[in-house]
Amino acid sequence: EVRLLESGGGLVQPGGSLRLSCAASGFTFTNYAMGWVRQAPGKGLEWVSQISSSAGNTDYADSVKGRFTISRDNSKNTLFLQMNSLRAEDAATYYCAKSLSSDISDFGYWGQGTLVTVSS
Amino acid sequence: QSALTQPASVSGSPGQSITISCTGSNSDVGGYNYVSWYQQYPGKAPKLIIYDVSNRPSGVSNRFSGSKSGNTASLTISGLQAEDEADYYCNSYTSSNTRVFGGGTKLTVL
Repeated sequence: EVRLLESGGGLVQPGGSLRLSCAASGFTFTNYAMGWVRQAPGKGLEWVSQISSSAGNTDYADSVKGRFTISRDNSKNTLFLQMNSLRAEDAATYYCAKSLSSDISDFGYWGQGTLVTVSS
Repeated sequence: QSALTQPASVSGSPGQSITISCTGSNSDVGGYNYVSWYQQYPGKAPKLIIYDVSNRPSGVSNRFSGSKSGNTASLTISGLQAEDEADYYCNSYTSSNTRVFGGGTKLTVL
């Protein structure tokens, strides 16, 4: 059974940093691209970033480019999202998701999300 | 990366069919056959129900179907059931090598 467990969310001040983690199990992590999608309270989904299975390709939404960094540790089956210079508009539930293939593609499995609150 | 355009809400009676549209541009929906649809219940994670315009993942009911014409993609749900009441989001690959979601559509089963 595919399992994705996010952690690292919490309250941070504007301008601060957070590092989200996603522990994956139930599938061969090294064979699949992974990504992050966020959802502000009461709002729609926003694609944030994706990384290929080998970490050779990464992509970011314009809204986070230059502030967020996606990475993965294939030896530990873990996906990360380093978030710097956080803004109020970054407050959301952040979902970790598994792609359908090794390349950046649609998300076939999702975690339950971790909440990030940005406030002074 | 402007969000794709979806109707805010649609409704239908049990047994009927409904269609949700998703309009983009030549740089996303119209340029690639990489449109997907997600279903989301309140407080839950999204679930992929259609990928690559018209393909259903294993386990998804064949009452869900997808199509595309020009810059507009569509999700059709036939034989509407109460359990279909949820939010639906389209998603497309873009010319910037990114992906973009639609604003979401709330489906109400009357």
